[in-house]
Amino acid sequence: QVQLQESGPGLVKPSETLSLTCAVSGYSISSGYYWGWIRQPPGKGLEWIGSIYHSGSTYYNPSLKSRVTISVDTSKNQFSLKLSSVTAADTAVYYCAKNSGSHEVDFDYWGQGTLVTVSS
Amino acid sequence: SYVLTQPPSVSVAPGKTARITCGGNNIGSKSVHWYQQKPGQAPVLVIYYDSDRPSGIPERFSGSNSGNTATLTISRVEAGDEADYYCQVWDSSSDRVVFGGGTKLTVL
Repeated sequence: QVQLQESGPGLVKPSETLSLTCAVSGYSISSGYYWGWIRQPPGKGLEWIGSIYHSGSTYYNPSLKSRVTISVDTSKNQFSLKLSSVTAADTAVYYCAKNSGSHEVDFDYWGQGTLVTVSS
Repeated sequence: SYVLTQPPSVSVAPGKTARITCGGNNIGSKSVHWYQQKPGQAPVLVIYYDSDRPSGIPERFSGSNSGNTATLTISRVEAGDEADYYCQVWDSSSDRVVFGGGTKLTVL
């Protein structure tokens, strides 16, 4: 059974960089599939941030692309998100998830999510 | 950019059938996936590739997709089906995942 667990600071100051890590268990990232980040502002809908393959190939949401970096560490079986120059609008629950195949398909496993608040 | 339109809310009595729509330009040419999200929980995949059900999802959940509308149908609705539902596609013209705005299903 694939399990994903997000970790990182729950509070980030405006203009700083948000950094989160997703630890994967029950499956080796090196074996395949794309892995993604999705966020959800309080009381609002889901927004895709980006996805990464074990080779490092990435796809980013064009609306966030200038501020987003997603990387993978196959030795630790985890992948990470960095979002720079954050504002209050970046306050959200951040989920990591596994694509069931390529970057174009559904997300079949999700982490529990972690709330990140941007505030001074 | 590609937009998916869902009704903000749908209400249905227990035992009846709920239909949640997801509208998009020629959405029938894309693969649509549906997620259920209960308060305080992560989304759960309930339908993928328009009409396939993951293991563990009741047969009461079904999906269809044609023309400009995809539909998630929940038969014999139960109180436990009350949740937010989101549709999702891949937009190849902009290389991005797109989610619908979500529909809150209320069981009366």
